[in-house]
Amino acid sequence: QKEVEQNSGPLSVPEGAIASLNCTYSDRGSQSFFWYRQYSGKSPELIMFIYSNGDKEDGRFTAQLNKASQYVSLLIRDSQPSDSATYLCAVLYNFNKFYFGSGTKLNVKP
Amino acid sequence: KAGVTQTPRYLIKTRGQQVTLSCSPISGHRSVSWYQQTPGQGLQFLFEYFSETQRNKGNFPGRFSGRQFSNSRSEMNVSTLELGDSALYLCASSLDGPTSYNEQFFGPGTRLTVL
Repeated sequence: QKEVEQNSGPLSVPEGAIASLNCTYSDRGSQSFFWYRQYSGKSPELIMFIYSNGDKEDGRFTAQLNKASQYVSLLIRDSQPSDSATYLCAVLYNFNKFYFGSGTKLNVKP
Repeated sequence: KAGVTQTPRYLIKTRGQQVTLSCSPISGHRSVSWYQQTPGQGLQFLFEYFSETQRNKGNFPGRFSGRQFSNSRSEMNVSTLELGDSALYLCASSLDGPTSYNEQFFGPGTRLTVL
């Protein structure tokens, strides 16, 4: 069984702060790593993906991958109340099979 | 471009019944994946279909099955419903499979309640 672990939260940060979301995975054969955002009552939407070690930036979002430590993170700079949602980490294995973490609930306080 | 659509949006069934859920992918997308989402287990992969063939399957019992039609629309069926099958069922479509090069787009989901 492929495990993807996330702290369920809630993670509370003040508006304008950096939110740091973490995810660990068990299978070293994992190929790509994804962060999805899911608002309450809505379906997940892709924020970004990463497959090489290091950092990948997209606007206020930065994904970080460390394959040796089997660790992936998402940083949200200048957090806004509209960022309040559940963030799902997903790991792609065997080219078309996703494993999702249970998600971290983020609350950004105005 | 229309998004992924799922029908019905809500469903109430009783134990022992069976249910069929439908998913219409984004036009041009050939891959459809199905997921079960529950508060306790999170989002779990059920199966993925591509060109009418099941390419991948998650760890669910045989009561869960699916199929894909030539127009890429997909259905999933759950037979002999159990209380634990109550969940949000999401389908996601992508051009050629949910790889890092083909983003998958989720539908709004079908909320199934088993009484």
